[in-house]
Amino acid sequence: AQSVSQHNHHVILSEAASLELGCNYSYGGTVNLFWYVQYPGQHLQLLLKYFSGDPLVKGIKGFEAEFIKSKFSFNLRKPSVQWSDTAEYFCAVSPTGTASKLTFGTGTRLQVTL
Amino acid sequence: EAGVTQSPTHLIKTRGQQATLRCSPISGHTSVYWYQQALGLGLQFLLWYDEGEERNRGNFPPRFSGRQFPNYSSELNVNALELEDSALYLCASSQRDSVWFFGPGTRLTVL
Repeated sequence: AQSVSQHNHHVILSEAASLELGCNYSYGGTVNLFWYVQYPGQHLQLLLKYFSGDPLVKGIKGFEAEFIKSKFSFNLRKPSVQWSDTAEYFCAVSPTGTASKLTFGTGTRLQVTL
Repeated sequence: EAGVTQSPTHLIKTRGQQATLRCSPISGHTSVYWYQQALGLGLQFLLWYDEGEERNRGNFPPRFSGRQFPNYSSELNVNALELEDSALYLCASSQRDSVWFFGPGTRLTVL
């Protein structure tokens, strides 16, 4: 069974600072990888996804993530955060080729201060 | 295109009662997933339905059950409610090798 580990539980950054949130997964086969975001009072939304191809994927709102297969990692980055990026971020993984369940990490709460 | 919808938005029950939560997937999606988001515990996988069948369930007791109807909508039932069942219950729908789309959730409070 797959598992996901997010290393940072709570991150506080000033506006314009750079962001990197760590995500590692464990699974014996090929996977699809996702980052979801949950803004305060809103429902879970997809930030970006990796299915195959270029391991550097770009998502909405200036976010990007890099899949490093050898490290089983899919870290999320943003060069300059904004106050509106304050939210909870979830990394998730599912095995490819199936509609099997999506397994989430425990989430990282990002707080951006002015 | 309408997204995943869930009802009710909020549900307040007392211990021992039963709760029924409903979900309508995105049109064309045959898979429905239920997750529990309890404070501090992230999203825990509950159940997966596809084509009317239960395909997988997470590490939850049998009093958590559900079903999927012919129109692919789904119902989650929680029997003999306990205080720790208080959480946000999220429904998602998906197609094979596609993105999971989530609904707004049902906030269940058990008193």
